[in-house]
Amino acid sequence: NAGVTQTPKFQVLKTGQSMTLQCAQDMNHEYMSWYRQDPGMGLRLIHYSVGAGITDQGEVPNGYNVSRSTTEDFPLRLLSAAPSQTSVYFCASSTNPGTSNEQYFGPGTRLTVT
Amino acid sequence: KQEVTQIPAALSVPEGENLVLNCSFTDSAIYNLQWFRQDPGKGLTSLLLIQSSQREQTSGRLNASLDKSSGRSTLYIAASQPGDSATYLCAVNTGFQKLVFGTGTRLLVSP
Repeated sequence: NAGVTQTPKFQVLKTGQSMTLQCAQDMNHEYMSWYRQDPGMGLRLIHYSVGAGITDQGEVPNGYNVSRSTTEDFPLRLLSAAPSQTSVYFCASSTNPGTSNEQYFGPGTRLTVT
Repeated sequence: KQEVTQIPAALSVPEGENLVLNCSFTDSAIYNLQWFRQDPGKGLTSLLLIQSSQREQTSGRLNASLDKSSGRSTLYIAASQPGDSATYLCAVNTGFQKLVFGTGTRLLVSP
């Protein structure tokens, strides 16, 4: 199993540009989520999904869109990038969201918005 | 709102020492608590998961305890090694696998 994979590893955007951060898992996990990590702050939840077709907002959802059309993929879209979205983005997954299971994280995408 | 605090923010020890990392949280209504390791520029690696009904978990040289009523968890690392140098994060599951993270303890173990 590859686990949780994220692409790209690094990205530089100009203010106002759009892009999609990709996340995929091959463990047949129902639950997937996106976090951002900023210096001096803990990871913060952006959006999460408890299964295909079901998504919900986390703590810091503004400026981000998600969809979950398959179990394997959970892309994060930035419609109009802003410098405040400069961060490291992590995708995570786990089995059955109704139970307390371990979460597995991808390697991260480092995004810079100029 | 759940808040997670980790003390100390940074720790430097010589190789071979036993050490304790602390994590506290403000709301005891948690489903579990997970300890992660993060190496510079890398993702998070899960170390230990403690369910809310458990008091501790052990894996090799690592032992994590949980006192839900007082809102505290500790990560004990025995016989530290230079390879243990990393940032250690704790996170509480507030429901539906939503994690609230602390800001981490940066550990440096010198040979």
